[in-house]
Amino acid sequence: EAQVTQNPRYLITVTGKKLTVTCSQNMNHEYMSWYRQDPGLGLRQIYYSMNVEVTDKGDVPEGYKVSRKEKRNFPLILESPSPNQTSLYFCASSLSGQFYEQYFGPGTRLTVT
Amino acid sequence: KQEVTQIPAALSVPEGENLVLNCSFTDSAIYNLQWFRQDPGKGLTSLLLIQSSQREQTSGRLNASLDKSSGRSTLYIAASQPGDSATYLCAVEESEKLVFGKGTKLTVNP
Repeated sequence: EAQVTQNPRYLITVTGKKLTVTCSQNMNHEYMSWYRQDPGLGLRQIYYSMNVEVTDKGDVPEGYKVSRKEKRNFPLILESPSPNQTSLYFCASSLSGQFYEQYFGPGTRLTVT
Repeated sequence: KQEVTQIPAALSVPEGENLVLNCSFTDSAIYNLQWFRQDPGKGLTSLLLIQSSQREQTSGRLNASLDKSSGRSTLYIAASQPGDSATYLCAVEESEKLVFGKGTKLTVNP
């Protein structure tokens, strides 16, 4: 089944404790991205990747890192999480960065205390 | 800066009614427009994708139109069912990212 998977689905952590949210797709998509969803603010892009080893900032990249060492994986790294990073995170992928349908993962609900 | 607006923010209708959800965007230089459905606590499910050169797309009871010049799109849902209850999000694609509206929360009452 074609899908985007994220792990973990739920995470509660404390301020400053490094964490990684994994994202993997099995559709051989070149483009992957991360969004966060907050009440009243909607979905906003954090980072995106056009292909392996190519990443770029979205609208709200502060406090996040990403890497794209393999085509299928695009982990989101929070090196020193803070409470304002409490949010619902979505990974997405598409065949290319433009013109193609984007597929979203099931989301990761992160709480930073 | 692209802004996407969805009106209304919430809508409640009786089962069987036909309905229209609206989406407007400020910059017509888009690659495409995509409609999604989001169920509570769940991810986004893609419903329809309209390329910038297209005027409409249909899938089952759903029909989406795009008027790029006026910056508008509509999602038409025919013969609504309780299972259609969800939040519907509109997003335009520009420069390697999707810009989302805040959604319309739809409730279809049996």
